[in-house]
Amino acid sequence: GAVVSQHPSWVICKSGTSVKIECRSLDFQATTMFWYRQFPKQSLMLMATSNEGSKATYEQGVEKDKFLINHASLTLSTLTVTSAHPEDSSFYICSAMGGYGPTGNEQFFGPGTRLTVL
Amino acid sequence: DAKTTQPPSMDCAEGRAANLPCNHSTISGNEYVYWYRQIHSQGPQYIIHGLKNNETNEMASLIITEDRKSSTLILPHATLRDTAVYYCIVRVAVRNNDMRFGAGTRLTVKP
Repeated sequence: GAVVSQHPSWVICKSGTSVKIECRSLDFQATTMFWYRQFPKQSLMLMATSNEGSKATYEQGVEKDKFLINHASLTLSTLTVTSAHPEDSSFYICSAMGGYGPTGNEQFFGPGTRLTVL
Repeated sequence: DAKTTQPPSMDCAEGRAANLPCNHSTISGNEYVYWYRQIHSQGPQYIIHGLKNNETNEMASLIITEDRKSSTLILPHATLRDTAVYYCIVRVAVRNNDMRFGAGTRLTVKP
């Protein structure tokens, strides 16, 4: 149980275009989803936290108008990178939490999406 | 959430036990110790977690000192597939509480 998927697994886009990344919890309802970004040889950096049906909370330094997060259902959150630029190229990882796991508050991570902006 | 300190890298011979240390001297009484690992270009994988007592599962053992200021993750028989970055995270296990990753330890298992 507790499987999280992401789609697409990788995407290449032109500078100035927008890219949508989906994060799904396949076998549990995720009341909270988190989005992380990871640059090469660096650790994961939390970008934002989203609760189903409400606006996302962004970390300091993350532009909410550039990284649009929607958590419209208990199994799906989307991250849209608007007007992408080469510096947005990164590995984007989501995680989901939904009262599942040993303490009832574990996070389960998706496999990540590799974004390359040309 | 409390901060953790891990060595940046470690090597281990295949088939031997890998012991990965983590210091968390400012841990609070209600914070759990979690271990995740990340194999290259994949999402983090949960390994184990504990509060006070030592824990063991099919993947690893977690030894937490009595004062809870440090812990050790033990992979009893490391294989080449255990080569990854291992993250030790302390966190209050409550709803909506995010997971903050430090630099982790890059474990290389060598034949």
